Amino acid sequence: EDKVVQSPLSLVVHEGDTVTLNCSYEVTNFRSLLWYKQEKKAPTFLFMLTSSGIEKKSGRLSSILDKKELFSILNITATQTGDSAVYLCAVEDGSGTYKYIFGTGTRLKVLA
Amino acid sequence: EPEVTQTPSHQVTQMGQEVILRCVPISNHLYFYWYRQILGQKVEFLVSFYNNEISEKSEIFDDQFSVERPDGSNFTLKIRSTKLEDSAMYFCASSVLEEGTQYFGPGTRLLVL
Repeated sequence: EDKVVQSPLSLVVHEGDTVTLNCSYEVTNFRSLLWYKQEKKAPTFLFMLTSSGIEKKSGRLSSILDKKELFSILNITATQTGDSAVYLCAVEDGSGTYKYIFGTGTRLKVLA
Repeated sequence: EPEVTQTPSHQVTQMGQEVILRCVPISNHLYFYWYRQILGQKVEFLVSFYNNEISEKSEIFDDQFSVERPDGSNFTLKIRSTKLEDSAMYFCASSVLEEGTQYFGPGTRLLVL
């Protein structure tokens, strides 16, 4: 059965800390791995990763994929209170239509 | 910047009633999806739609559910006879390509009483 597992489930840090969020997966026909940030409602797109070892960066956020070990990490440096959200990992399953399989998310709370 | 929109933002309905959730995907996108998220649980795939046909559906998407693209812009999810367990946030998403990034709408929170 396809699954995506995220850890930790929740995390509380102080502003300025660096956090690492983990996502491991087992998918029959892997196409890509995506990270989303979910605040009040809809997931907003952060990164799409398709190749191992290539870091994607956007400001203080970065992510990398390891297709051999079947995991990805999302790093946030110098965290701010605005980073407080649920971070979702989704894996795109290419068998059939390219549906996403989501993990349960990591709830990050950044304290001032 | 183009975005996926959904209406209504909130809907409260009685068990057994029909509801229609509406989505307007990004205009040049060709692939459409519905997901749901029960409170406190993970986002789950319901159905994907392309070229006026369902491409794939999950086991959640039973005979009570249907999707339609009634015109060139709207994409709807109908629940024929709502159950208490249908209470959830329903997200619409769209993508340009089959393997392209999916962009999500703001969601419709459905509460079935």
